[in-house]
Amino acid sequence: QVQLVQSGAEMKKPGASVKISCRASGYTFTSFDINWVRQATGQGPEWMGWMSPNSGNTGYAQKFEGRVTMTRDTSTSTAYMELSSLRSEDTAVYYCVREFCADVCYCDSWGQGTLVTVSS
Amino acid sequence: DIQMTQSPATLSASVGDRVTITCRASQSISNWLAWYQQKPGTAPKLLIYKASKLHSGVPSRFSGSGSGTEFTLTIRSLQPDDSATYYCHQYDSFWTFGQGTRVEIK
Repeated sequence: QVQLVQSGAEMKKPGASVKISCRASGYTFTSFDINWVRQATGQGPEWMGWMSPNSGNTGYAQKFEGRVTMTRDTSTSTAYMELSSLRSEDTAVYYCVREFCADVCYCDSWGQGTLVTVSS
Repeated sequence: DIQMTQSPATLSASVGDRVTITCRASQSISNWLAWYQQKPGTAPKLLIYKASKLHSGVPSRFSGSGSGTEFTLTIRSLQPDDSATYYCHQYDSFWTFGQGTRVEIK
């Protein structure tokens, strides 16, 4: 079955960077885009951007432009999201999400989430 | 950016009740809308996509409707397992999520 397995929780100081991995299994990794979404406690999810594992093309939400980088390693079917210049407001659970597209598109698979805590 | 406004923020209903959650988009999104259910400590789970299509394995008591700017999620006969937070999600132009509706069982 389709699975997205993310790396473990991270604790970072303000100004540092964090890089989260998302390993895909159960399908052809290069066939569907991976999006990254974060969710602060008690808030709705917030979209950060997308990446095509096939081409490596990316698109980022304006809010994160300049601070976020999405990459992939097709040999290990792994997507990565790096967020730099961390501040306390970046404390959240971060999810990778597969966007399945056939005749219609939908987001059917989410990673288990990675808690990132930013604190001095 | 497209804003998504969900209502109500919280609702309390009894087992067997019909429950409706509304989501309004700040501009037309055609029918590029999904609904998710999220329980504490877990990732959101897809219920409905393209406004009205039931995702595989989701109980038929869940249904979605609407197009343009106004959408609804209906739970036909509320069950104890439906206690959760529900989010709408537009994917017409980039992505935006609603702020959520917490459904409690009386």
